[in-house]
Amino acid sequence: NAGVTQTPKFQVLKTGQSMTLQCAQDMNHEYMSWYRQDPGMGLRLIHYSVGAGITDQGEVPNGYNVSRSTTEDFPLRLLSAAPSQTSVYFCASSYSGTGGNTEAFFGQGTRLTVV
Amino acid sequence: AQSVTQLDSHVSVSEGTPVLLRCNYSSSYSPSLFWYVQHPNKGLQLLLKYTSAATLVKGINGFEAEFKKSETSFHLTKPSAHMSDAAEYFCVVSGYTGRRALTFGSGTRLQVQP
Repeated sequence: NAGVTQTPKFQVLKTGQSMTLQCAQDMNHEYMSWYRQDPGMGLRLIHYSVGAGITDQGEVPNGYNVSRSTTEDFPLRLLSAAPSQTSVYFCASSYSGTGGNTEAFFGQGTRLTVV
Repeated sequence: AQSVTQLDSHVSVSEGTPVLLRCNYSSSYSPSLFWYVQHPNKGLQLLLKYTSAATLVKGINGFEAEFKKSETSFHLTKPSAHMSDAAEYFCVVSGYTGRRALTFGSGTRLQVQP
């Protein structure tokens, strides 16, 4: 199993450009989410999905869109890139478990720079 | 609502000495708690997890953590630090809701001196 795969690993955008960060998982997990990591702030939730066709906003959703048409894929779209979106982005997936929440499995991250 | 406070942003230890990384949490639900490690320019790896079973949790690479409900703490320990332990460590809480989103602490950078 590949686990959670993110592409690209690195990206440089100009202000105002749009792009899509790809995320795919092959573990048949129903839950997927996107986080951004900024120095000294840990990871913050952007958007999440509890299953195909169902998405919701997290802590910092402005400037980002998501959709989930299949269980496997959960792309993150930047509508009009801004320097404040310079960050490292992580996609994660998890599954239902008994006795409490299960751990999330993370991709390797996408380092995005907006100039 | 849920939150996590990692009490130290940086911890420096000598190789072979004990490691203590402190974490306090707040959650409206019976929480699940995790520690993740991130080596430089890498993704996040699960060290250990607490999900309402035994309060003393053993993880990989000799790490363990104790869930103390009365103190709302979940501190990470290791008896003897190794150079390869140098990394950033995140304490994470997940409330038992349908959302299943994780709330991260701000991280503790562990430095191991030779």
